[in-house]
This record gives sequence, structure tokens and C-alpha cells, in this order.
Amino acid sequence: NAGVTQTPKFRVLKTGQSMTLLCAQDMNHEYMYWYRQDPGMGLRLIHYSVGEGTTAKGEVPDGYNVSRLKKQNFLLGLESAAPSQTSVYFCASSYKGYEQYFGPGTRLTVT
Amino acid sequence: GQSLEQPSEVTAVEGAIVQINCTYQTSGFYGLSWYQQHDGGAPTFLSYNALDGLEETGRFSSFLSRSDSYGYLLLQELQMKDSASYFCAVRDLAGGYQKVTFGTGTKLQVIP
Repeated sequence: NAGVTQTPKFRVLKTGQSMTLLCAQDMNHEYMYWYRQDPGMGLRLIHYSVGEGTTAKGEVPDGYNVSRLKKQNFLLGLESAAPSQTSVYFCASSYKGYEQYFGPGTRLTVT
Repeated sequence: GQSLEQPSEVTAVEGAIVQINCTYQTSGFYGLSWYQQHDGGAPTFLSYNALDGLEETGRFSSFLSRSDSYGYLLLQELQMKDSASYFCAVRDLAGGYQKVTFGTGTKLQVIP
């Protein structure tokens, strides 16, 4: 039982490049989330999903896209990376929405 | 929209008790959660309150007053390992979906 895993753990991108962050969970949770965390800003919700095939926008969705084709996977895409997207990205999953299990995070630097 | 307020920093002595407060403004409120995050780590779930009152889990307790839009996390018998950031998070209904909004966190420093 791996819980929530994230790939990759670290990444450096140049401005304008694209990438996809992968989140996988093996707990059969319906809810999945993508957050970004910046110093002093807490966790800000980017996008979330309440089930396979569904997605919804969070607080800071601009510049990101997501897909939930399979229940266990939630992908976060950056089409054209910008330095403002330098952050730590956390994925989380939940059964009922209030007890979230977080992945270890992805540290992304955009130069 | 939603907003949460919690103190940015708190310092307490090992063995003592500390209370971290959280006030919130939201519509469609379902409940209040608390998470702990050590430096460089991922947040971990501590507790959840959907109804008024106190929930106790070992050395940690969490309280909610829905009428006051207020809650707190109480940590007893503080240990050095409790030094971490603590986040309150509101679960509410927005756009037809339930979602969770996090506060900006309280950094707790436990000193000898």
C-alpha cells in the first residue's frame, strides 16, 4: 500500500517548456486535489476532482490543466511554464473530502 | 469566497500546552480540519470537526464553534517534535462540489 505517490520529485524547466506531473493513489479514493505551496502562502488549491472523468477549478487554476481519466491517477499539466510557477506541488486524495492524504511533493523550478 | 485567519507564529515551552486559533468566513460550511507539516515534508491529517465541541486524539484536541465561525487546535505536553506548521482547513460547498480551503498556517516553535 503506497498511499499517494508523485512523479517526478524534482524538476527544472525553462520558461515556455511544458511538463506533466503525475499523481497516483491506491486507496480507491474518489476525491483528488492538486495544490501549490509557496513560502508564507500556505496551500493553494489549483484543481480538484470528485471522481473519474470530473475536474473543477480551485483558487489558482490559470496556467494549469488537469485530467482524471482513471480513478487512481490525477495529472497536472503546465503547457507553457513561467517563473511564477516555481513552487512545491502537492497532490492529495480523500475518501470523503475532509481527511486528505498527501503525496511527498514535487519541487519545480522554472528559470 | 472563503477566508481563514490563524496566527503566523507561536512559541511554546516543552511540556506546556499551546492553543492555535482559526477563524473562518465561508458559505456552505461542512467542517474544519487540522493538518501538521514539518519542514520539507508533506501535510498530515490531525483532526476534523463537523459539529460543535471538542474532539480529542491523544495529546491533540480540536474544538469547533459553528456559531462563532471559530476553532482551535490544542496541543498538550508539548514535545520538541511538535515543532512544525499547523494548518486549519475549511470544507465547504462551492460550485456544486465539496472542496477544502487551507489557511496560511501557524509555525509552532517548541523551545526547551
